[in-house]
Amino acid sequence: EIVLTQSPGTLSLSPGERATLSCRASQSVSSSYLAWYQQKPGQAPRLLIYGASIRATGIPDRFSGSGSGTDFTLTISRLEPEDFAVYYCQQYGNSLFTFGPGTKVDI
Amino acid sequence: EVQLVESGGGLVQPGESLRLSCAASGFTFSSYTMNWVRQAPGKGLEWVSYISSSSLTIYYADSVKGRFTISRDSAKNSLYLQMNSLRAEDTAVYYCARVLGYGSGSYSGIYFYVMDVWGQGTTVTVSS
Repeated sequence: EIVLTQSPGTLSLSPGERATLSCRASQSVSSSYLAWYQQKPGQAPRLLIYGASIRATGIPDRFSGSGSGTDFTLTISRLEPEDFAVYYCQQYGNSLFTFGPGTKVDI
Repeated sequence: EVQLVESGGGLVQPGESLRLSCAASGFTFSSYTMNWVRQAPGKGLEWVSYISSSSLTIYYADSVKGRFTISRDSAKNSLYLQMNSLRAEDTAVYYCARVLGYGSGSYSGIYFYVMDVWGQGTTVTVSS
């Protein structure tokens, strides 16, 4: 089973700042199978990025994804107040879906 | 509007059973692979089960294998999760989620195993 590790656990930033979130896999992941989700309290997760770098429908261009192999990054270029949330990476491999533990972006 | 609506959650005792349902609308349900994902209180996301559009391919997380059964009824545009022998550690919000599948445009030849539509979740509490 591929294990995803996310860092940092919590990122304390201010609106307007840049956020850089990391997702590291225990073994190589196909970029096609790597996604990022945003979850706000009391809400379902929302797909932000898939294929490691493709923005999902309706996602603002301040969100970008990059990386390959075992190291992936989600970048929020300028934080808006509505971006403060928990972010999860997810991969698929060997008939299993796994999620990282999440990074909380707070003020 | 593309929508998934879960139902069937509730409070049950350890060892009991529960059946969750997920009603799909706004898209061709029969064409999509579906997942169940859960989230224990204050915890992260955990994938539970996967069913292909044809129901021919089914996967389970080790934590529920042998106790949970996923199924679907395309005539009713519905996804189900039969949960037996429930344990306290099964307490969670359960989400159904659509797998995006093949991309569009320049990504049309690539199958994306990611979840692009989620329901609002239904809460399952297992406690005596």
